Amino acid sequence: KAGVTQTPRYLIKTRGQQVTLSCSPISGHRSVSWYQQTPGQGLQFLFEYFSETQRNKGNFPGRFSGRQFSNSRSEMNVSTLELGDSALYLCASRAAQETQYFGPGTRLLVL
Amino acid sequence: GQQVMQIPQYQHVQEGEDFTTYCNSSTTLSNIQWYKQRPGGHPVFLIQLVKSGEVKKQKRLTFQFGEAKKNSSLHITATQTTDVGTYFCAGPMTSYDKVIFGPGTSLSVIP
Repeated sequence: KAGVTQTPRYLIKTRGQQVTLSCSPISGHRSVSWYQQTPGQGLQFLFEYFSETQRNKGNFPGRFSGRQFSNSRSEMNVSTLELGDSALYLCASRAAQETQYFGPGTRLLVL
Repeated sequence: GQQVMQIPQYQHVQEGEDFTTYCNSSTTLSNIQWYKQRPGGHPVFLIQLVKSGEVKKQKRLTFQFGEAKKNSSLHITATQTTDVGTYFCAGPMTSYDKVIFGPGTSLSVIP
């Protein structure tokens, strides 16, 4: 099976802009979770989608949003970018109660 | 909210020495998962423990899940340079809950 794919892999934006990141889960996996990873804060949970519904949510401001499509692909959007949003954004997919498999991540730099 | 802690934050060992990292959750976990992230890479799933007191081995790696399902440990025997990376523990409170990650233990192996 193909692994989790994320696009784009690298992104440079300026403050105030918005960005959309995409994640394609492993075939058959209906759950997609998003994490933000920074050197100082580690892996922070953003949200999880399952069957097009947000099932769990982390403690991030409303500027961070996501959605999931009927084919389980997911997108996350960050509006009004801030310098502190520079991070590696990881998505992970899983089947039912199984463990998570991570994609390679999207490295976002906000200038 | 749920918090997962890990100690130590960093560990430097001579090649051939043993290494242990400890994981503690503020709440009982449904399961504990361990991941390894190489520098520049993404977290890769190592193992999942589900039962109270469970012990699993993978070659030189030994994983334990505490009796109260709130703590866990990863022990590496006779470290090798290929063991370099950051080891994360993670777990949900229930099977369908968000998976919260510890801050990780960064392992350096001196040849």
